[in-house]
Amino acid sequence: EVQLVESGGVVVQPGGSLRLSCAASGFTFDDYTMHWVRQAPGKGLEWVSLINWDGRSTYYADSVKGRFTISRDNNKNSLYLQMNGLVTEDTALYYCAKDALHYYYSYMDVWGKGTTVTVSS
Amino acid sequence: EIVLTQSPGTLSLSPGERGTLSCRASQSVSSSYLAWYQQKPGQAPRLLIYGASSRATGIPDRFSGSGSGTDFTLTISRLESEDFAVYYCQQYGSSPYAFGQGTKLEIK
Repeated sequence: EVQLVESGGVVVQPGGSLRLSCAASGFTFDDYTMHWVRQAPGKGLEWVSLINWDGRSTYYADSVKGRFTISRDNNKNSLYLQMNGLVTEDTALYYCAKDALHYYYSYMDVWGKGTTVTVSS
Repeated sequence: EIVLTQSPGTLSLSPGERGTLSCRASQSVSSSYLAWYQQKPGQAPRLLIYGASSRATGIPDRFSGSGSGTDFTLTISRLESEDFAVYYCQQYGSSPYAFGQGTKLEIK
């Protein structure tokens, strides 16, 4: 069974840092682009970032560019999101999602259940 | 940057009725790289449609997608109780891979 399990979400103060993790199983992890998508409480979905299969190409939403860094460890079947300079607007449920196509950037066919990040003093 | 605008914000219909949801892009979406997702309360999104009109695995044929360029539509032919949820469109033709703001489909 294809599965994504996020972890690392906690309550953090404004200006703080946090690293989210996503453990993948049930598929050949290093064949696929991976995404982070977030959802603020009561709001819609916001695409955050993607990383290609070998980690050499990354893209970010303008709202997180320069503060967040996406990375992956294909030996550990894991995806990460390093979040620095956190602001209250970063409070959200963060989803890890698998791209649907091999070696391409496209839509997301598998999602984790998410991990909650709360930025508050 | 492509901005997606979904309408209406809320759609109130009865089971058995036909639902039509719209997604309009601020500029043309290349190669119809548009997807639709369904999200129910407390759940992760679920892929419904990709490539503007192709149904994802396991999606009932009452769901259909259409459109190209800047105008896209998700149609649910005969609403069932489990279809009442929030629906999002997303373009994946160019970064940032933005979502629309969502349409809430509620029971009338």
